[in-house]
Amino acid sequence: RKEVEQDPGPFNVPEGATVAFNCTYSNSASQSFFWYRQDCRKEPKLLMSVYSSGNEDGRFTAQLNRASQYISLLIRDSKLSDSATYLCAVNPEGGSTLGRLYFGRGTQLTVWP
Amino acid sequence: EAGVVQSPRYKIIEKKQPVAFWCNPISGHNTLYWYRQNLGQGPELLIRYENEEAVDDSQLPKDRFSAERLKGVDSTLKIQPAELGDSAVYLCASSLDGRPGSGYTFGSGTRLTVV
Repeated sequence: RKEVEQDPGPFNVPEGATVAFNCTYSNSASQSFFWYRQDCRKEPKLLMSVYSSGNEDGRFTAQLNRASQYISLLIRDSKLSDSATYLCAVNPEGGSTLGRLYFGRGTQLTVWP
Repeated sequence: EAGVVQSPRYKIIEKKQPVAFWCNPISGHNTLYWYRQNLGQGPELLIRYENEEAVDDSQLPKDRFSAERLKGVDSTLKIQPAELGDSAVYLCASSLDGRPGSGYTFGSGTRLTVV
């Protein structure tokens, strides 16, 4: 079983739509969770960390559900510029040092006008 | 602040040839990572360094891959000999120790094509 599972999509939504992605992880002891954005032929860039209490950054909201072992990303009022691949990442180690991250395969989002 | 710098951006080689990738992490970042990203997949860790020490190389194919991080700053990843299946993007990343939740900063990667 993979450490992180993610629906590859693609998700095709109109501008202004709300879209949500989920990502499940297998290690219940996982401590740190992240969403990365990757544009075509570019490197992944950190979009946001995911905290236990949930967190919001503008139109983006990340949630963590430890009981069901998944994280989610909600994008409201989608923009054309949101078109990208969204990767979830999980650090199964605890402690103060950020070690290995396990990435999902990414969910492709296309926002159309 | 300069980001993680990688070179070259692109490399095309014939199978069985050697190839090397270079990475300069963000200044002050003690932890350096090499990841490989195959087409349509997420990045997968090859090796992680804490300063000069390789602390996690369990996924590095040691028969053909090697890495070094002399002086705990720049790092080089080498493949010898390259195989067709090594075609991928090789990403270097760095992070600041003791800051859980800060995530990684990736370099722009080296896109390797083995023909």
